[in-house]
Amino acid sequence: DAGVTQSPTHLIKTRGQHVTLRCSPISGHKSVSWYQQVLGQGPQFIFQYYEKEERGRGNFPDRFSARQFPNYSSELNVNALLLGDSALYLCASSLDRTNTEAFFGQGTRLTVV
Amino acid sequence: EDQVTQSPEALRLQEGESSSLNCSYTVSGLRGLFWYRQDPGKGPEFLFTLYSAGEEKEKERLKATLTKKESFLHITAPKPEDSATYLCAVGRGGSTLGRLYFGRGTQLTVWP
Repeated sequence: DAGVTQSPTHLIKTRGQHVTLRCSPISGHKSVSWYQQVLGQGPQFIFQYYEKEERGRGNFPDRFSARQFPNYSSELNVNALLLGDSALYLCASSLDRTNTEAFFGQGTRLTVV
Repeated sequence: EDQVTQSPEALRLQEGESSSLNCSYTVSGLRGLFWYRQDPGKGPEFLFTLYSAGEEKEKERLKATLTKKESFLHITAPKPEDSATYLCAVGRGGSTLGRLYFGRGTQLTVWP
């Protein structure tokens, strides 16, 4: 049974560019959450989507946006990239909105130069 | 302000030397406390969920316990393959349902 899959695994972008990260949740899971993890820190919550609607947003600027598709996969978009956006971006899926057991993907390592 | 604090930041153990990791939290309306293991460059791997004070869960050499203010992850007779960063997270109810608040983690190194 496939776990949470994220693509791409690594990405290098230039300041000011736009990036799209993708996530496919575990089959049957309807909730997808996005987290940003800077080196040496714990993951920080960005968004939660459940049943294709935004259910929570963390303290991130409007340059960050996301959406969830009918098949429950999700995209995270970041505009006008800054050097400080360099991080590991993690996607977590769970059965329902409560995230009682949230399973993470391997992450996308984004480097902004 | 909600806060999750893990200690120590780093821990080095000899193989077989048991120890405990601590996670203290100041969160109102605790819905659950979660432990994850994270290997370098990988996503966190789910270990346990604890819901109420007094609850305990075990998995192989790991045992997690929960009180009203903190949780402990006990590691019994660790092996080098237990080396990883262990993350603690808490979940709240209400408007932030579904959001996990993470600590910075404890980096565990087990040497032979």
